[in-house]
Order: sequence, then C-alpha cells, then structure tokens
Amino acid sequence: GQQVQQSPASLVLQEGENAELQCNFSSTATQLQWFYQSPGGSLVSLLSNPSGTKHTGRLTSTTVTKERRSSLHISSSQTTDSGTYLCAASSNMGYKLTFGTGTSLLVDP
Amino acid sequence: NAGVIQTPRHKVTGKGQEATLWCEPISGHSAVFWYRQTIVQGLEFLTYFRNQAPIDDSGMPKERFSAQMPNQSHSTLKIQSTQPQDSAVYLCASSLGGNTEVFFGKGTRLTVV
Repeated sequence: GQQVQQSPASLVLQEGENAELQCNFSSTATQLQWFYQSPGGSLVSLLSNPSGTKHTGRLTSTTVTKERRSSLHISSSQTTDSGTYLCAASSNMGYKLTFGTGTSLLVDP
Repeated sequence: NAGVIQTPRHKVTGKGQEATLWCEPISGHSAVFWYRQTIVQGLEFLTYFRNQAPIDDSGMPKERFSAQMPNQSHSTLKIQSTQPQDSAVYLCASSLGGNTEVFFGKGTRLTVV
C-alpha cells in the first residue's frame, strides 16, 4: 500500500523566517492533501494539491507527481503557525488517504 | 456549513462496555471515512462509505468494531467490549467523492478505563 514519509520531523524557526516541509510517497497518488493540527486540536485542511503548484495565503504547495513528492512552503512564519503539519496521499485507486507522521513546527517570537 | 460534526467529543467507558460514536458528514458529501489517531500509530484508516454503501473496511479490527451509515446524514462507529488499547481519537471525515478534498470533524476522544 501507499507509504508517506515527511521531513523534517521537527523544525524550529524564528518568527518571520520561511519553512519548507517535504513529503515523499511510495506510489502513484491521485490525491495529495496537506493538513494542520494544533496540539490537541482537530485536523484542518490546508491545501489539496495532487499535482502542480497551489497557493493560499502564506502557503505554497508544489507536487511533482512523477517524482512522488510534495512540498509545503510557509512564508513569513508566525507564532500561530506552530503545530503539526501532516501530508496525506491516496493510492492510485483514490479515496483512502495514508498519512505521514508529520512535521512538528515551533515558531518562536 | 458547520463542517463534519462528531458527537460526543469525549467519551469514557469501562473495559468491556460498548461505545457508539456518531458522525454527521457535510451536507451533499457522498464519501464518509472513519480514521483513528493515537500517538504511537498516528492516523489510521478504518472504513469508507460511498453513497451510504460500505466500500472498504480493511482498517477495521474485525471482531469488535462495526460501522454503519443508515442514511446520508449520519454514520456510526460501534465498538463492542472496549479494551484499553481502543483508547484513541476517532475521526470522521467526508468529501464529495473521487479525488476531492477531504474534511475532518473535531473527533471523539475515547478513553477506556
């Protein structure tokens, strides 16, 4: 089945710095989605991006389907960006999302 | 749009008791998923419904777990004879189907004592 790996496992930034989060998946994915989870909080969908580049606010996701990788760029980080970022990819049959273990981001003031 | 609604938010059961978790998907969404999240295992897929029909229950522990979707506005996850290892956050999600964006509820935190 699909396997998803994320890096780095954790990241500490100073407020205002940019972050680059990586996601690699083992097989063709027809769906790729990035989520944010605050400590003890719910999963919030950030971007659905199975291919190409998508922007929303300070977030940019680039997915290269053939190379089975996706990245999430956070520009001008804020303390409120602190939390866990999860990447999820489906198999080529779709519908079932497999999650990575996440990148824990801490943004210091 | 209230999003995916899950009730209760927290549930404590004694070992051996039954627990029923409820989910109301986003109106108009035909795909409904259940996942489980623990610190050790992370997020695990449990089961999937499409247009109320069970499509994939490959992640469900077979003996004590069951899920149903009696109508398009709600799904239930039932755990019989709960065990301490069932303690987790159970997440319901829905989407329009296909490869569309999936939206999660806030989850039900189940604690088995």
